[in-house]
Amino acid sequence: DAKTTQPNSMESNEEEPVHLPCNHSTISGTDYIHWYRQLPSQGPEYVIHGLTSNVNNRMASLAIAEDRKSSTLILHRATLRDAAVYYCILSGSGTSYGKLTFGQGTILTVHP
Amino acid sequence: NAGVTQTPKFRILKIGQSMTLQCAQDMNHNYMYWYRQDPGMGLKLIYYSVGAGITDKGEVPNGYNVSRSTTEYFPLRLELAAPSQTSVYFCASSYWASGGVVETQYFGPGTRLLVL
Repeated sequence: DAKTTQPNSMESNEEEPVHLPCNHSTISGTDYIHWYRQLPSQGPEYVIHGLTSNVNNRMASLAIAEDRKSSTLILHRATLRDAAVYYCILSGSGTSYGKLTFGQGTILTVHP
Repeated sequence: NAGVTQTPKFRILKIGQSMTLQCAQDMNHNYMYWYRQDPGMGLKLIYYSVGAGITDKGEVPNGYNVSRSTTEYFPLRLELAAPSQTSVYFCASSYWASGGVVETQYFGPGTRLLVL
């Protein structure tokens, strides 16, 4: 299964944009890029996903490199509630079909 | 919709005891999953099910059993609890259609299990 690499931790100030990077150099053509986040003492929650084109939703934006070997989750204005562990996950065809493999993610700290 | 619900929220077990972690979803999802999360780590898949009557092992299935007799329920059974099974357990569900359309996984609030 293709793997992802994320920084262990990042920090941001409230109301500033945050760019969370993810490398996935072995991604296959059918792998989707998913982002989930886990708030303290809660289960993970879906943030966004994409295949090739950049994606926007009410929570965040996902920028995908042209060669698809990396992507960036963008929080446009961080709030204290965005402090969480952010997971970048690949899922697609083959043995990973329907399953998500969570790495250790990036711990985002947001300062007031 | 209640989404994904899990019971109990917290449990202490003695070594060798058994218990069942309950999971239910009311979204008519075909896929259901059990994960465990050890402190400071990501989630690891224990078992998953693609529909009633069908289950398969994930990354860390040893020491656990599952069954899926209906779409709604997916209980996880620990037969002989060991300290290594101290963890937080999350149940999740999703709808996965043929053709590879991606659907979101919805997670329950988790069950904290302590084995002493």
